[in-house]
Parts: sequence; C-alpha cells; structure tokens
Amino acid sequence: QVQLVQSGAEVMKPGSSVKVSCKASGGTFSDYTFTWVRQAPGQGLEWMGRIIPILGIANFAQKFQGRVTITADKSTSTVYMELSSLTSDDTAVYYCAREEALISVNHIRPRWFDPWGQGTLVTVSS
Amino acid sequence: QSVLTQPPSVSAAPGQKVTISCSGSSSNIGNNYVSWYQQLPGTAPKLLIYDNDKRPSGIPDRFSGSKSGTSATLGITGLQTGDEADYYCGTWDSSLSVVFGAGTKVTVL
Repeated sequence: QVQLVQSGAEVMKPGSSVKVSCKASGGTFSDYTFTWVRQAPGQGLEWMGRIIPILGIANFAQKFQGRVTITADKSTSTVYMELSSLTSDDTAVYYCAREEALISVNHIRPRWFDPWGQGTLVTVSS
Repeated sequence: QSVLTQPPSVSAAPGQKVTISCSGSSSNIGNNYVSWYQQLPGTAPKLLIYDNDKRPSGIPDRFSGSKSGTSATLGITGLQTGDEADYYCGTWDSSLSVVFGAGTKVTVL
C-alpha cells in the first residue's frame, strides 16, 4: 500500500514561486497517477492537475494553466508541484493523492483518490 | 461556486441516519464515477466511497453510496460522534477537470 509524505509548510512572498514535494513509498511508483488538490482556509477542495509518470503526461485544471508545473522523479519516487506568480489567494493547504483513473487514448477519467498526503500549508504574505 | 451541489450541513442525534446529496449534470455525475471523502478537522481527506457505491476495505458498512442519473447520495447510519466531519463528493467533468462539491458538515447533536 502506497504512502505519501509531503514537504513542510512554506511562507512565500507575493509574486514568487513555491515547489511542494510528495514522496511515495510502499508501492510501485510508475504504476500510479498522482493528483494535486488544494484547500483554501475554510473552503472546499479544488483540483489542480495530475501527472502519470509512466506516460510522461501531465494535465491541469484550466484555472492553473500556465502557472502550475507538475513533475515526477522516478529515481526518488517523488512528485513535485510548482506554482508560480503567487498571490494571497494561493494561501492554502496543498495535497497530493494517488489517483485511480480510467485511461484511454481519448481521456483520463478519475475513479477515486486514495491515499492522500498529509498536506502542505503554503502561506503567501508580504 | 461548485459545479456539484451539496447541502452545507446536516445533523442528527447519535444512532440516527443522515443522507448527503450531491447534485450535478450529465457533464459530470451523469457519465462518470462518483467518490466520497471524509475530512475530519485538521486532517487530510479520506476515501469513503468509490465507483459510486463501493467501500474501501476498513470503511464500516454504516457508510453507503448510491447514484441515480445526475445525483449521488452518501448515507451514514448509526451516527457516532466520531463521524463529525466535512464530507465531499467528487467526479470528472467534461470541462476536463475533476470537480468536487463544496462540502457538507455533519453534526452529531
């Protein structure tokens, strides 16, 4: 059973970038799809994007296109999410999760997200 | 504003039953799997229901899921104080994004 451990809390300045890591253990890294979800204070869950390391494919929610990068390092079984041009609206807890999905030529449709990392609080403040 | 509509809160006494609805459209729930997540205060979400109505191992059968058309429902029977949490439904949307409901807070009276 895979477990996901994320990097620690970050305090960032507006306009800067943040890179959050998510290390997987206990499973076969290349077999998995990984997704990123964030949660602003007191708010709900917001999907940001996903990566399929074995296919080298990453796709993103339209809202974050051009501002988010998701990468995977197979040698360390670690997934990274980098978000640029930060504003106070990006203050949130960022979660990684393993995504079980239906993958075909035409689409990638999620079935569920499990497990989740413990979350990383990113605070954007001047 | 969330694409999926959930009631903000539901409540019941210990031992009673609550249901949480998740309403969508043919662009999301109607043609995709629905999953449900429990988020206890200060913790990460936890998978409760997948593929509309299946429970992962370790999830008590007090939790159940169903889907009909463009709506899904989470049921919790035998309500316990430990069930106080936020509950979210999630699915895929044809806008090429995962969508979640805004969450429902369950309170045990």
